[in-house]
Amino acid sequence: GQNIDQPTEMTATEGAIVQINCTYQTSGFNGLFWYQQHAGEAPTFLSYNVLDGLEEKGRFSSFLSRSKGYSYLLLKELQMKDSASYLCAVLDSNYQLIWGAGTKLIIKP
Amino acid sequence: DGGITQSPKYLFRKEGQNVTLSCEQNLNHDAMYWYRQDPGQGLRLIYYSQIVNDFQKGDIAEGYSVSREKKESFPLTVTSAQKNPTAFYLCASSIEGTRHQPQHFGDGTRLSIL
Repeated sequence: GQNIDQPTEMTATEGAIVQINCTYQTSGFNGLFWYQQHAGEAPTFLSYNVLDGLEEKGRFSSFLSRSKGYSYLLLKELQMKDSASYLCAVLDSNYQLIWGAGTKLIIKP
Repeated sequence: DGGITQSPKYLFRKEGQNVTLSCEQNLNHDAMYWYRQDPGQGLRLIYYSQIVNDFQKGDIAEGYSVSREKKESFPLTVTSAQKNPTAFYLCASSIEGTRHQPQHFGDGTRLSIL
């Protein structure tokens, strides 16, 4: 079966750095997405990785290793507004999007 | 502002009743999707449409129906055959249906059973 694993919940301190991991086992791979979702709101697109390596976008960076079936989202200089769920999703060989259950990130002052 | 509008934000269904969730987009996107989100689970695809007058079943289509008569609109009907409809429903759209493009989401409809 196809599977995406993310930690259920993480806690970090305002101003710090946090890394949210995502491991996947899917039938093929055509890219990996990260989305942010505040409680009761729409998910919003953060990043898309299809090649190995690190993609940086301001305070957020996303890393991919296809050989290891692994990605992480790195958030720097954490702000209270970063408290949200972070969703990892993988495009499989049939271009079906497989979603992880999400990681709830709690930021403490 | 361009975006996706879902309505209503909250919806209650009685036993044996069909209800329809609205989804409208003014992004001129070809592809539209309906997902169901349950606590502790990833988003699950109900139906998707890559072009007007065409749609395909997703992973959990049983008990749901859709139509795509206009590019802007993709309503979802939750029928009485769906025995566990309580969930958060998300509508999304993307520029084209190749799936490499990021999906843009509406704010969701929370459906509960009376």
